[in-house]
Amino acid sequence: GEDVEQSLFLSVREGDSSVINCTYTDSSSTYLYWYKQEPGAGLQLLTYIFSNMDMKQDQRLTVLLNKKDKHLSLRIADTQTGDSAIYFCAESLGAGGGADGLTFGKGTHLIIQP
Amino acid sequence: GAGVSQTPSNKVTEKGKYVELRCDPISGHTALYWYRQSLGQGPEFLIYFQGTGAADDSGLPNDRFFAVRPEGSVSTLKIQRTERGDSAVYLCASSIDGNYGYTFGSGTRLTVV
Repeated sequence: GEDVEQSLFLSVREGDSSVINCTYTDSSSTYLYWYKQEPGAGLQLLTYIFSNMDMKQDQRLTVLLNKKDKHLSLRIADTQTGDSAIYFCAESLGAGGGADGLTFGKGTHLIIQP
Repeated sequence: GAGVSQTPSNKVTEKGKYVELRCDPISGHTALYWYRQSLGQGPEFLIYFQGTGAADDSGLPNDRFFAVRPEGSVSTLKIQRTERGDSAVYLCASSIDGNYGYTFGSGTRLTVV
């Protein structure tokens, strides 16, 4: 079955870059996603990457995908206090992209030090 | 509405009771999903609707759980004979066509006592 693994915590200083890592097991996943969850709020889609891409950049966010190693990372440049949240990596359950539902990791708590 | 709306935001029920959780998706979104998030965990897929039909209900944990979407818009998740282990935040999400990620609601926090 599908499984997504993430470190539970990451602590960075304000202004530094944050790199959140994720490994997944299903090589047939067509899309991989990063979601952000702030306390008491729903999940917010940050970005996604198609499995035939190696990298995607969107403003302060950079997603890197190593399909051979089934490793996905999210880099946040110039981390701010507003970036403090739980970040979830997710892979699609089937070949239908997100249409078949997603398998989520347990989330990485990003802690910002002043 | 502008976002996915879920009601109630909180529900406390006694073990053995029946509960209904409602989801109002973004207007025009044909795909609708239910997830369950337990404390310290990521969301767990329950069921996916495309229009009125359940395209994939493989995530429903057992036959106490059932969901409907009779007119292809609002969906109701129904839980019979609730157990303490059903306590979690139930999240609903909708999407135009099921691809490229989707929009989540704020969830219903269900507590079974």
